[in-house]
Amino acid sequence: SQELEQSPQSLIVQEGKNLTINCTSSKTLYGLYWYKQKYGEGLIFLMMLQKGGEEKSHEKITAKLDEKKQQSSLHITASQPSHAGIYLCGADEYSGGGADGLTFGKGTHLIIQP
Amino acid sequence: DGGITQSPKYLFRKEGQNVTLSCEQNLNHDAMYWYRQDPGQGLRLIYYSQIVNDFQKGDIAEGYSVSREKKESFPLTVTSAQKNPTAFYLCASSIGGGMNTEAFFGQGTRLTVV
Repeated sequence: SQELEQSPQSLIVQEGKNLTINCTSSKTLYGLYWYKQKYGEGLIFLMMLQKGGEEKSHEKITAKLDEKKQQSSLHITASQPSHAGIYLCGADEYSGGGADGLTFGKGTHLIIQP
Repeated sequence: DGGITQSPKYLFRKEGQNVTLSCEQNLNHDAMYWYRQDPGQGLRLIYYSQIVNDFQKGDIAEGYSVSREKKESFPLTVTSAQKNPTAFYLCASSIGGGMNTEAFFGQGTRLTVV
């Protein structure tokens, strides 16, 4: 199975600042998912990317998938306390779809300082 | 409202006991999954089921068992054979069917062995 490397492992950002989280795979990503988790709770779906060069935005969060489909970045603009949590990237290993489960990175812990 | 429900939220188990974690969804999803989350390890797939009466082992199935007698339900039993069961368990479901689709997650069950 493929491995997903997330960086950084943890991030402390002052409120209002921008930040970027990266997710890199050793193999082609057929579907790349970004989730957010508040500590000890379930995962909240943020975005899914499938095509090389694809970019999606929701409110102040933008996710991109590179042309080679091996790296994705999650960018938060003007961070707020509500952005704090664990961000996880997940990926489909096969082009046929994710019905056999996703592989996840280890997560990035984001702390927003007032 | 449609969703996926895990129960209980917190569960304590004595060593040597089996415990069953409940996962129910009313989203009419074919596929269901169980993941385990440990600090610093991200999410790992335990078992998944793409259709009723069928399920497959994930990456860390040893010491766990599942059943899928109904489309809505995918209970996970943590057996006494699981050497390190203390963890946060997340259940998920998706439409499945060979598409790259969003997985919906429950709120999780935190299992502690005492």
